[in-house]
Amino acid sequence: QKEVEQDPGPLSVPEGAIVSLNCTYSNSAFQYFMWYRQYSRKGPELLMYTYSSGNKEDGRFTAQVDKSSKYISLFIRDSQPSDSATYLCAMTAARGENTPLVFGKGTRLSVIA
Amino acid sequence: NAGVTQTPKFQVLKTGQSMTLQCAQDMNHNSMYWYRQDPGMGLRLIYYSASEGTTDKGEVPNGYNVSRLNKREFSLRLESAAPSQTSVYFCASSPPRTGDQPQHFGDGTRLSIL
Repeated sequence: QKEVEQDPGPLSVPEGAIVSLNCTYSNSAFQYFMWYRQYSRKGPELLMYTYSSGNKEDGRFTAQVDKSSKYISLFIRDSQPSDSATYLCAMTAARGENTPLVFGKGTRLSVIA
Repeated sequence: NAGVTQTPKFQVLKTGQSMTLQCAQDMNHNSMYWYRQDPGMGLRLIYYSASEGTTDKGEVPNGYNVSRLNKREFSLRLESAAPSQTSVYFCASSPPRTGDQPQHFGDGTRLSIL
């Protein structure tokens, strides 16, 4: 079993829909959780960052972490065609320099106008 | 505000040729990373450098070497390229204490090995 599992999709939704993207993980030591967005032919860019369990909201985006279930989610409200991209979850256990991120495989999202 | 700059953006090589991918960051970050991204495989860490003068293997280091030339620059070398190394390569950097501030990525080098 991979440390981080993410459904690759593709996921296609109509404009204005609520999108739910999810990752599960197996390492209970993970406590820093991130979501990256990657547009075609570009590098990943940080979208959301959370520490430990709980919710974090930023505009139309909400990140949730449930450490008891080892499950994280990214919700996109009022989705727009400009949200069409691949979304990657990432996580790490500690704050030291020698703790690289572990990434999910990414979910490709298409928002149809 | 260049951030992380990778060169070249595209390259085609023949099997057995050598190649160095360059990466530079202007954010005064301590840590730098090299990933490859393949369809269905996600981002896989090749090597990383937690600070100037140190390098460590990641998940898929075989066939690659790295050099942390100084704090700004981290290069990836393919000594004898193989078709299995056809991929998109991303460089990233982060400040100390990775968990505090996540990684910043370049826009990648698309490498094809024939």
